[in-house]
Amino acid sequence: AQSVAQPEDQVNVAEGNPLTVKCTYSVSGNPYLFWYVQYPNRGLQFLLKYITGDNLVKGSYGFEAEFNKSQTSFHLKKPSALVSDSALYFCAVSPDRGSTLGRLYFGRGTQLTVWP
Amino acid sequence: DAGVIQSPRHEVTEMGQEVTLRCKPISGHNSLFWYRQTMMRGLELLIYFNNNVPIDDSGMPEDRFSAKMPNASFSTLKIQPSEPRDSAVYFCASRPPGHRNTEAFFGQGTRLTVV
Repeated sequence: AQSVAQPEDQVNVAEGNPLTVKCTYSVSGNPYLFWYVQYPNRGLQFLLKYITGDNLVKGSYGFEAEFNKSQTSFHLKKPSALVSDSALYFCAVSPDRGSTLGRLYFGRGTQLTVWP
Repeated sequence: DAGVIQSPRHEVTEMGQEVTLRCKPISGHNSLFWYRQTMMRGLELLIYFNNNVPIDDSGMPEDRFSAKMPNASFSTLKIQPSEPRDSAVYFCASRPPGHRNTEAFFGQGTRLTVV
């Protein structure tokens, strides 16, 4: 079965400090991995994706994510957090083969709070 | 492009009533998803269409739920009869061709409250 795990429901960090939001996955074949952000009362917005190539992917708003195949992880990172980064973050996986090809599965989300 | 458009934004209905949620995907996108978001269960994939054809409806909770995509520019999710436990935010998302590695674009969601 395809699945995405975000082990932390909440992450709290002080402004200016680095942040990490964790994600691990289980999928058949090679995964296509995504991070989305959701602000209150809004839909999900795409941040970045890993398809192939360099394991470090850079995305919007200074975010980046590191793909680690051996650990089946795709953690979201930012060197210096901003208060405006406070939101709900979702990791997602899209299988590249098999009966679930084309679907997009999401983790439960991690609430990031950056305090001043 | 205006993005994925969902209507209504909010819906309050009484238990037992029929509810229809609507979605207009982005023009040119050929994949469409319906998701349900709740605090307890997170973001659940309900149904996935590709080229207007339902490919996977295994996430549809029960027979009270049905979804259609009569053409490339319109989809509906219907709940009949509705129950309080159906209260959630329902999202529609669309994806362009090349679906294996392209990101999906989400609508603003419909907040459904069944009383």
